[in-house]
Amino acid sequence: SQQGEEDPQALSIQEGENATMNCSYKTSINNLQWYRQNSGRGLVHLILIRSNEREKHSGRLRVTLDTSKKSSSLLITASRAADTASYFCATDGGGADGLTFGKGTHLIIQP
Amino acid sequence: KAGVTQTPRYLIKTRGQQVTLSCSPISGHRSVSWYQQTPGQGLQFLFEYFSETQRNKGNFPGRFSGRQFSNSRSEMNVSTLELGDSALYLCASSLRQAGRGTLNYGYTFGSGTRLTVV
Repeated sequence: SQQGEEDPQALSIQEGENATMNCSYKTSINNLQWYRQNSGRGLVHLILIRSNEREKHSGRLRVTLDTSKKSSSLLITASRAADTASYFCATDGGGADGLTFGKGTHLIIQP
Repeated sequence: KAGVTQTPRYLIKTRGQQVTLSCSPISGHRSVSWYQQTPGQGLQFLFEYFSETQRNKGNFPGRFSGRQFSNSRSEMNVSTLELGDSALYLCASSLRQAGRGTLNYGYTFGSGTRLTVV
């Protein structure tokens, strides 16, 4: 079953603009991860943020985590056409249940 | 280093048949997980294996089974295929080890096997 929701479901912006995606989840987590998927292919791991962290950066990516609100956001700065993809948040509860994914945000970068 | 390899990439099967999908993890990764992705249900956890043991199984019927070999390669099997089993099946490997305090690792996914049941 889905852990939570990404918001928005779809986002279209101009190249060079920043893109922000939000994720909400329902249960306690050990960490939260963001993945990218291009055209129904495999998922690519982008970044992992631990439950005791509030913010993390990796290149043009910035992730925040608010465990009190059970929410996370992914910011992609200076977007490029190659960033066009679906983005999923996934929670790791710390057990052997694998990752629980949200429904994803489909991001389109207009040239 | 080589990524996660899934074979075959595409499969077309008839209702009632069975299918076996294969996954070779990244060298050194002992944790292998399987996921099903469909437009309606999204990404859903199927199984997790570690050192040839199934650690957990998602909410799927007994027709879905799997195993992991001593070299960490994994297979999943679906018997008596139904139309609703049409999906992208994704395998992922990780250094993550549940129960050992080494949890904060991401997963490397393969490109998936797209199964179509007709």
